[in-house]
Amino acid sequence: AQSVTQLDSQVPVFEEAPVELRCNYSSSVSVYLFWYVQYPNQGLQLLLKYLSGSTLVKGINGFEAEFNKSQTSFHLRKPSVHISDTAEYFCAVSDRGGATNKLIFGTGTLLAVQP
Amino acid sequence: DAGVIQSPRHEVTEMGQEVTLRCKPISGHDYLFWYRQTMMRGLELLIYFNNNVPIDDSGMPEDRFSAKMPNASFSTLKIQPSEPRDSAVYFCASSSEGYGYTFGSGTRLTVV
Repeated sequence: AQSVTQLDSQVPVFEEAPVELRCNYSSSVSVYLFWYVQYPNQGLQLLLKYLSGSTLVKGINGFEAEFNKSQTSFHLRKPSVHISDTAEYFCAVSDRGGATNKLIFGTGTLLAVQP
Repeated sequence: DAGVIQSPRHEVTEMGQEVTLRCKPISGHDYLFWYRQTMMRGLELLIYFNNNVPIDDSGMPEDRFSAKMPNASFSTLKIQPSEPRDSAVYFCASSSEGYGYTFGSGTRLTVV
């Protein structure tokens, strides 16, 4: 069975500082990987996804993530955060080429950007 | 495209009442998912459909919950009878080709 671990429930950071949100996954098969962002009182919005090819994936709002197969990780990074980046961030995994389309989500990391 | 549309946005009901949540997926998407989000349990997959057929309902908490998808453009999630512990935000999402979901804005359900 697949699982996703987001080690940090909350990450406080000052504005304009770099940030990394950690995500590790467990799966017996090859996977697709995703990061979603949820702003207060809104639904989840896709930030970026890794399907194949380059292990460095760039997304919206200046975020990027790197797929590391040997470490089964897909950490999210941004070189300089803004107040508006304050939100909950979810990592998710699904089977590559599986018969289902099911996404398994992590428990989320609250990014709290302080002025 | 208007995205995934959920209604109502907010629902307050009394314990024991029937609640129906509605979802209109993105046209052309052949998968539809219902999730529940709470502080305690995070995002839980309740059920999902492929081409209007329920594929996996193992996440449905109990018989009080039921979901239908009568056609490609509409789905409902029904709770009967509702209980205070059902209070949560319920999300609908749709997708195609298996590559990520588009979420609706959610329905915030409060059962008093």
